[in-house]
Amino acid sequence: GAGVSQSPSNKVTEKGKDVELRCDPISGHTALYWYRQRLGQGLEFLIYFQGNSAPDKSGLPSDRFSAERTGESVSTLTIQRTQQEDSAVYLCASSLNAGGFTDTQYFGPGTRLTVL
Amino acid sequence: QQQVKQSPQSLIVQKGGISIINCAYENTAFDYFPWYQQFPGKGPALLIAIRPDVSEKKEGRFTISFNKSAKQFSLHIMDSQPGDSATYFCAAHYGKLTFGQGTILTVHP
Repeated sequence: GAGVSQSPSNKVTEKGKDVELRCDPISGHTALYWYRQRLGQGLEFLIYFQGNSAPDKSGLPSDRFSAERTGESVSTLTIQRTQQEDSAVYLCASSLNAGGFTDTQYFGPGTRLTVL
Repeated sequence: QQQVKQSPQSLIVQKGGISIINCAYENTAFDYFPWYQQFPGKGPALLIAIRPDVSEKKEGRFTISFNKSAKQFSLHIMDSQPGDSATYFCAAHYGKLTFGQGTILTVHP
């Protein structure tokens, strides 16, 4: 079966532009997570969805960042007025149950965002 | 309190050797400690995980050793192979996963 997919794989944008990053989780997975991975760094939690609600948005770094999810399907992470410090790989993961982070998370390949 | 410190940043091991990566934490509320393996251009994949009521867990060549009193845990890769060359992340869970900085492992043939 298909794993987690993300698009685009690479995105280059100019400072101040808005970007949308897409995540397609594994079919049937109720939980979906977004992380940011800066060069040479560990993963930084951004937001967690249980179904289409987001119980934990605590990792979103500023109000320029937002995310939504349609049902138990696709999620979109939007970054408005991008800044150079937003440059990173944005990773999405999904897990079967809504039981939280101890369920095995399956990661997508990520979207590499470069803000010029 | 939420920080997880991982060392070393990079590690070079000869084929057949033992690779050891260490992590330390402060928050005693952490209740789950997974290790992830990441190849270039790929997302991380769960390798092995342990809960704090167990001192050791082994899966094939991979072993987690957990020292609750010292608030440390480590990943041991026995008989390291070139195919093990990847970046390894430890993580700890309390409400969310907090990741270490990562260790780039290179296994020379």
